[in-house]
Amino acid sequence: GENVEQHPSTLSVQEGDSAVIKCTYSDSASNYFPWYKQELGKRPQLIIDIRSNVGEKKDQRIAVTLNKTAKHFSLHITETQPEDSAVYFCAANGGGADGLTFGKGTHLIIQP
Amino acid sequence: GAVVSQHPSRVICKSGTSVKIECRSLDFQATTMFWYRQFPKKSLMLMATSNEGSKATYEQGVEKDKFLINHASLTLSTLTVTSAHPEDSSFYICSARPDGRWDTQYFGPGTRLTVL
Repeated sequence: GENVEQHPSTLSVQEGDSAVIKCTYSDSASNYFPWYKQELGKRPQLIIDIRSNVGEKKDQRIAVTLNKTAKHFSLHITETQPEDSAVYFCAANGGGADGLTFGKGTHLIIQP
Repeated sequence: GAVVSQHPSRVICKSGTSVKIECRSLDFQATTMFWYRQFPKKSLMLMATSNEGSKATYEQGVEKDKFLINHASLTLSTLTVTSAHPEDSSFYICSARPDGRWDTQYFGPGTRLTVL
């Protein structure tokens, strides 16, 4: 099945700085890569996604890049704010399962 | 739009009892829904894919007789944890994929199950 690795597990940045979270996947057939933000005790919220026919996608302060050859994709958050503090999960839809395979998550801490 | 509800939000039960969790898509139809499990400070693990009108597809290692899934309509899937034990205590989250979309999933708010 699909295997998604996510790094780092914890990321602490100063408010206003940028944050980058990286993921790799194993199934070359994967073609959909969403990123979710989850606050404690809450549901995962889709913040951005990218499909395999696109290399980069941006939505205000959030961007995602995809390198299909290397099988990795990254989340970039610029001008970080305190409300960006949360756990972020990457996911991929490969491995034969219809559902998503999630990375282990990154706890993003924005230091004031 | 794209709202998914789950009920109950929290449930506490005794060992040996069964618990039913409902997942509803409120403003769209979803032939396909998914059930995930999340342990504290851990990632989401796909348990099964729920398909309206057919049997659910379970991931490897998930006992289908223990986690019964019924997808009776295009807006409702239920997960029943049978003969619950303390190790079944977890956060169960469903998601629904709008018909006509092959990718995007919208998540419910989750159900915190505690088995005493």
